Amino acid sequence: SQLAEENSWALSVHEGESVTVNCSYKTSITALQWYRQKSGKGPAQLILIRSNEREKRNGRLRATLDTSSQSSSLSITATRCEDTAVYFCATDRNSNNRIFFGDGTQLVVKP
Amino acid sequence: NAGVIQTPRHKVTGKGQEATLWCEPISGHSAVFWYRQTIVQGLEFLTYFRNQAPIDDSGMPKERFSAQMPNQSHSTLKIQSTQPQDSAVYLCASSIDRGGDTQYFGPGTRLLVL
Repeated sequence: SQLAEENSWALSVHEGESVTVNCSYKTSITALQWYRQKSGKGPAQLILIRSNEREKRNGRLRATLDTSSQSSSLSITATRCEDTAVYFCATDRNSNNRIFFGDGTQLVVKP
Repeated sequence: NAGVIQTPRHKVTGKGQEATLWCEPISGHSAVFWYRQTIVQGLEFLTYFRNQAPIDDSGMPKERFSAQMPNQSHSTLKIQSTQPQDSAVYLCASSIDRGGDTQYFGPGTRLLVL
């Protein structure tokens, strides 16, 4: 069973719109990470949010973390076509051994 | 900094042949990870080294797959007697120290077994 999973398999928006990808996880964590993978490339980290943080921003990206409901969200404002990618959340299961990736959400941003 | 380097980028093998995939982590990073990615299974963890020592190989298939890290500058993933179901993108990632740190991924090696 997945320790972290995104709540949508795919999302589609038009350029300029905002979109939110949601993630739920199953265990205590020290941090949750959001990664983006564009076609033909490896995943790249967007945001790392620690368990004592509730929100973190990176430009047009905003991640939230709710440890009581074991959920996180990644919001992208003013989307661009180049935001088209698969978005993964990943958790560390309260250890520094490794991180566990969800299945990913495919986001398509249309012109 | 060239990032994580993986070679070859593409490899085609015949069923039953051996495939060796190479990974050069970012200089100074002590943790190296291998993943396999397919449409059906998604991103699967295979194995993890820290300071060249194997830490967690819980994702490695028990047969035919092996990974080594002979020095801090490269790791290899070897698949013996390749099968069509081994076709996937194999991703290598490195992090500064611990498994929970940010992971920096290479571009992957796309393996096709005919």
